[in-house]
Amino acid sequence: KNQVEQSPQSLIILEGKNCTLQCNYTVSPFSNLRWYKQDTGRGPVSLTIMTFSENTKSNGRYTATLDADTKQSSLHITASQLSDSASYICVVSRGGSYIPTFGRGTSLIVHP
Amino acid sequence: DAGITQSPRHKVTETGTPVTLRCHQTENHRYMYWYRQDPGHGLRLIHYSYGVKDTDKGEVSDGYSVSRSKTEDFLLTLESATSSQTSVYFCAIAEGYEPNTGELFFGEGSRLTVL
Repeated sequence: KNQVEQSPQSLIILEGKNCTLQCNYTVSPFSNLRWYKQDTGRGPVSLTIMTFSENTKSNGRYTATLDADTKQSSLHITASQLSDSASYICVVSRGGSYIPTFGRGTSLIVHP
Repeated sequence: DAGITQSPRHKVTETGTPVTLRCHQTENHRYMYWYRQDPGHGLRLIHYSYGVKDTDKGEVSDGYSVSRSKTEDFLLTLESATSSQTSVYFCAIAEGYEPNTGELFFGEGSRLTVL
């Protein structure tokens, strides 16, 4: 069964600290993995996409990694800001399918 | 921002009444989706469309129907609303499903409360 599991479910950190969110998947055949950020009351927005051949990709203070062998991805946030408070959703797509599989998300709260 | 609009944004209705949510896009994207989002469940797929008049069920389709008579509009209907359908509904669109075209663009959501 195609599944995406995220951890932790929620996380509270102080402003300026770093954090790492995890995503494990069993989706096969793998096509790509996206991390989405969802601010409260808004729709999700894509942060980054990882394809099979990519190990690391950065988008500002966000760095995503992918280990296709272990089927794991992480999203590292550096020097967190209050605006990073949001839900982060891992979404994995299968080859040839237009129905991606969603994780349940990690809720991040950044305190001043 | 992707040209995607949901209406209404907020609605309160009573059990047993029909409700229709509308998703309108100006991007001419082929794929359109309806999701519901509930605490502890994340986003769950209700129905999706891969072209005009081409639709199919998602994982939580019971009690919902959809129609797509034009590329730009995707309607979600709750035939007889129940309290369990109280949720936030998101429409999403995608140009394709390859890595370079498979990004989902979401609307702002429609909050539905069924009393």
